[in-house]
Amino acid sequence: GDSVTQTEGQVALSEEDFLTIHCNYSASGYPALFWYVQYPGEGPQFLFRASRDKEKGSSRGFEATYDKGTTSFHLRKASVQESDSAVYYCALGEPNTGKLTFGDGTVLTVKP
Amino acid sequence: DPKIIQKPKYLVAVTGSEKILICEQYLGHNAMYWYRQSAKKPLEFMFSYSYQKLMDNQTASSRFQPQSSKKNHLDLQITALKPDDSATYFCASSQEPGHRNSDYTFGSGTRLLVI
Repeated sequence: GDSVTQTEGQVALSEEDFLTIHCNYSASGYPALFWYVQYPGEGPQFLFRASRDKEKGSSRGFEATYDKGTTSFHLRKASVQESDSAVYYCALGEPNTGKLTFGDGTVLTVKP
Repeated sequence: DPKIIQKPKYLVAVTGSEKILICEQYLGHNAMYWYRQSAKKPLEFMFSYSYQKLMDNQTASSRFQPQSSKKNHLDLQITALKPDDSATYFCASSQEPGHRNSDYTFGSGTRLLVI
């Protein structure tokens, strides 16, 4: 079945550091790819999506580019802030049923 | 205003009992979903519904039954509760199921503890 792998389980940075969270996927079809962010006690919040190869998604300074060749959708941000501390999930969307398959999540902690 | 309402926010249940988790969305979406989040599996897909019809069921147990009385409602009935069912259950919705440009909106969840 489809799967998503996030390499980093936890990332600790200082403010203004550069962020990369690696996401690789495996899918039989041609899925849409998503990044979600989750804060304590809340549901996942949509960050952005990319629907086709080479498309870049972005929001709030975060960005990722759909790479069908390397089956990747790595999340990057040039300068993180303490308020970015949260859990980040990469996900792929199944075209027919709308099912989202999530990675295990990456806990980002940003120190002031 | 919350666009997806989940009730109750917290729920404690006794092993063997039955509970219903409520979900209503006010986004005008045609597809609704249930996900479960626990320490074992961070975000796990359970069901998807489109226009009140079941599209996908990834729940192995028949103890979990979605119920859709209206297009913007998708409740989750859980019978014969077990301690392993303890988790946070999230309802979500999207304009259309599987549409490449659909955004998925999640509710704030129902935290279920089975004792």
